[in-house]
Amino acid sequence: QSALAQPASVSGSPGQSITVSCTGSSSDVGSHTSVSWYQHHPGQAPKVIIYDVSNRPSGVSARFSGSKSGNTASLTISGLQAEDEADYYCSSYASSSTYVFGPGTKVTVL
Amino acid sequence: QVQLVQSGAEVKNPGASVKVSCKASGYTFTSYHMHWVRQAPGQGREWMGIVYSSGNSNSAPNFRGRVTMTRDTSTSTVYMELSSLTSEDTAEYFCARELGGAGYFDFWGQGTLVTVSS
Repeated sequence: QSALAQPASVSGSPGQSITVSCTGSSSDVGSHTSVSWYQHHPGQAPKVIIYDVSNRPSGVSARFSGSKSGNTASLTISGLQAEDEADYYCSSYASSSTYVFGPGTKVTVL
Repeated sequence: QVQLVQSGAEVKNPGASVKVSCKASGYTFTSYHMHWVRQAPGQGREWMGIVYSSGNSNSAPNFRGRVTMTRDTSTSTVYMELSSLTSEDTAEYFCARELGGAGYFDFWGQGTLVTVSS
């Protein structure tokens, strides 16, 4: 069982916006700004798309955005495109220099 | 460009050990931490531990006593050895880089599948 909770799957049509939630606790998401999101196409190396709750690395599309409220972080993908179909994982710094992850959310573009 | 290239898939018997490598290139190896993360089939990702840029290491409580993480600066390679394997250790193992204190993993290896089966 993962420390962070994510929906198993989220789907949307091309051009729509979708949001993936990531719920933790006051020991991780709720008390740290080191919340990050990763896109993983199976067979490829995972890629960071959001760090520090809402920052995008250079080269990542502005269609990806992140936010946090209390113990829940969220990833929003706007203007959904076919290439966005992938698995998305959230991660948070936790106590004692450890990290926790969510189980992943499969995003499907209909 | 930054690359983290992991060793190939392994099949091990229960009770055995496995050693996975992660060879880094394209950056100053000793300036970054390296983490190990695994994902078992149908399960979420699990943080296993870290090799700090200093060379020290720290492991997650679930793996303490069973995992050894080391590095070889001459070859820019980090190693993760897991002992006393059981079927529950069947998973894909990833190395992931962190710039010290950044709090996220900016580059990942491609993953190494370890299968534990008799």
